Amino acid sequence: DIQMTQSPASLSASLGETVTIQCQASEDIYSGLAWYQQKPGKSPQLLIYGASSLQDGVPSRFSGSGSGTQYSLKISSMQTEDEGVYFCQQGLKYPLTFGSGTKLEIK
Amino acid sequence: QVQLKESGPGLVQPSQTLSLTCTVSGFSLTSYSVHWVRQHSGKSLEWMGRMWSDGDTSYNSAFTSRLSISRDTSKSQVFLKMNSLQTEDTGTYYCARNGGYRYAYFDYWGQGVMVTVSS
Repeated sequence: DIQMTQSPASLSASLGETVTIQCQASEDIYSGLAWYQQKPGKSPQLLIYGASSLQDGVPSRFSGSGSGTQYSLKISSMQTEDEGVYFCQQGLKYPLTFGSGTKLEIK
Repeated sequence: QVQLKESGPGLVQPSQTLSLTCTVSGFSLTSYSVHWVRQHSGKSLEWMGRMWSDGDTSYNSAFTSRLSISRDTSKSQVFLKMNSLQTEDTGTYYCARNGGYRYAYFDYWGQGVMVTVSS
């Protein structure tokens, strides 16, 4: 199985700050990476797919980049509504696997 | 609009069988795949299996022989059945629509159904 290592496990950011979350795959996943945001008591919501494509309706302050085994999610200007847990997921090989999550809070 | 909704019992006894239903609307099961994903109390997510649009299935080997996914296209429903439940199967179960072609990812999710395995 492809292991997804996500970092950091948690972070706090000030309003307007730029935030970056990292995700490393145990093998090359050829940009087959998605990012999700989950708020308490809610289901995950797709933010980014194909490593860098923004899902419809997602604010442009979210962006994804990376290739090979290293990927990142950037929030260019932290907003209060961005608080939540963020997960990466590889979609190249079965079983599909997720990172362990990054809890993002407002400082 | 696209919607998925899980239903099923909230409490299952150990060693019993879990049966969940995912009812979808706004798209056809013959055009899109549907996945099942579970989450242990706010922790990370675990992919369980996929019902492909052609009726084929894929399963996570972690659930080998315990898990079965089926569908009824006339009712726009996908079913999950998992036997020999243990306390570690407690969690929230989601169905989600597959959004990709080359890669699998989940573009719409149901609200989830919380399942507790306890006597």
